[in-house]
Amino acid sequence: DAGVTQSPTHLIKTRGQHVTLRCSPISGHKSVSWYQQVLGQGPQFIFQYYEKEERGRGNFPDRFSARQFPNYSSELNVNALLLGDSALYLCASSYDEYNEQFFGPGTRLTVL
Amino acid sequence: RKEVEQDPGPFNVPEGATVAFNCTYSNSASQSFFWYRQDCRKEPKLLMSVYSSGNEDGRFTAQLNRASQYISLLIRDSKLSDSATYLCVVRMDSSYKLIFGSGTRLLVRP
Repeated sequence: DAGVTQSPTHLIKTRGQHVTLRCSPISGHKSVSWYQQVLGQGPQFIFQYYEKEERGRGNFPDRFSARQFPNYSSELNVNALLLGDSALYLCASSYDEYNEQFFGPGTRLTVL
Repeated sequence: RKEVEQDPGPFNVPEGATVAFNCTYSNSASQSFFWYRQDCRKEPKLLMSVYSSGNEDGRFTAQLNRASQYISLLIRDSKLSDSATYLCVVRMDSSYKLIFGSGTRLLVRP
């Protein structure tokens, strides 16, 4: 069975640009969570979506937004990129909000 | 104060050694506890859940002390393949989000 997939794998942007990251959950999973992992730190929660509704938001500015589609895939959007947004962005899928979360390989974003 | 704190290491041990990692959490409402493993430049993967009575999975033993808000992971007979970063993770029952520590890096040498 396919695991969580994310695209692109790597991305280089410049300050002020915007970026869209994509995630496809494991088949049958209805919940997607997004995490940001800065080098040397553990992942930090950004958003969770369940059944296309936002269930939770972490301590991130409004430049970060996300949505979930009817097929349960998800997009994370970041506007007005800052150097500090450089990180590994991880998507995790789970059957529902409280079950085990399975992580995708991540998108490595570099902001120059 | 961070919600989940870990010794960053690195722990550098020979093959066959026993190594222990510790983790403390600040929110007494935390109800679920996990250890994740993350290889270099890869995604985190669940190693094991941690239960109040303690639990064991092969060479790995996890302990939880709710009174001290302390979690531990013991690895016996270390293998080269155990080299990775070990992340301590907590979740409150009323919440969906996982709260990660910064991780402890383990290097097992031949």
